[in-house]
Amino acid sequence: NAGVTQTPKFRVLKTGQSMTLLCAQDMNHEYMYWYRQDPGMGLRLIHYSVGEGTTAKGEVPDGYNVSRLKKQNFLLGLESAAPSQTSVYFCASKIIETNQPQHFGDGTRLSIL
Amino acid sequence: AQSVTQLDSQVPVFEEAPVELRCNYSSSVSVYLFWYVQYPNQGLQLLLKYLSGSTLVKGINGFEAEFNKSQTSFHLRKPSVHISDTAEYFCAVSPPGSSASKIIFGSGTRLSIRP
Repeated sequence: NAGVTQTPKFRVLKTGQSMTLLCAQDMNHEYMYWYRQDPGMGLRLIHYSVGEGTTAKGEVPDGYNVSRLKKQNFLLGLESAAPSQTSVYFCASKIIETNQPQHFGDGTRLSIL
Repeated sequence: AQSVTQLDSQVPVFEEAPVELRCNYSSSVSVYLFWYVQYPNQGLQLLLKYLSGSTLVKGINGFEAEFNKSQTSFHLRKPSVHISDTAEYFCAVSPPGSSASKIIFGSGTRLSIRP
């Protein structure tokens, strides 16, 4: 039972390059989220999805795009990477009921030079 | 709007000593409360949750938390910590009936255990 799997685990980019982070969950969860984690700032929500084909902006969406073409996958894209996007990115998923917790992946460590 | 404050960014304690990690929240409605733990180089894992009922909630690894509505607090405690408890701990709130995005995390408390 894999849970939430993030690919890749590490990546180094140059400023201006683009890339896509993949999140896959095998729990049939409706909701999926992308967060970034920076020292002393906790988790900040980038984008989220309440179901296949739907996405919405979170707290810090600028510079990122997302897509949820399949229920089990949630992609996070950086069109033109900037040093300020150096961070650890976490994907999470959960079922619809609000009293249930999120399940997190192990993170993607992204450095932008 | 809801908010979560974790009053201590770092808490150093000696092994086998008790620990309390503090969490206060602000909300005009009832909320669900969660504590997550993040071990080094890993994602967040659920430690425990408060939905309703008994205000003392027991979680994994010997942790427990007490919900105090009058003080809007949800402090996490463990009577005797181990080296393996070294991690970052996050408090989170989710209002009942909210949309999917309204899960608010605190800024985290880093627990370091000294031998």
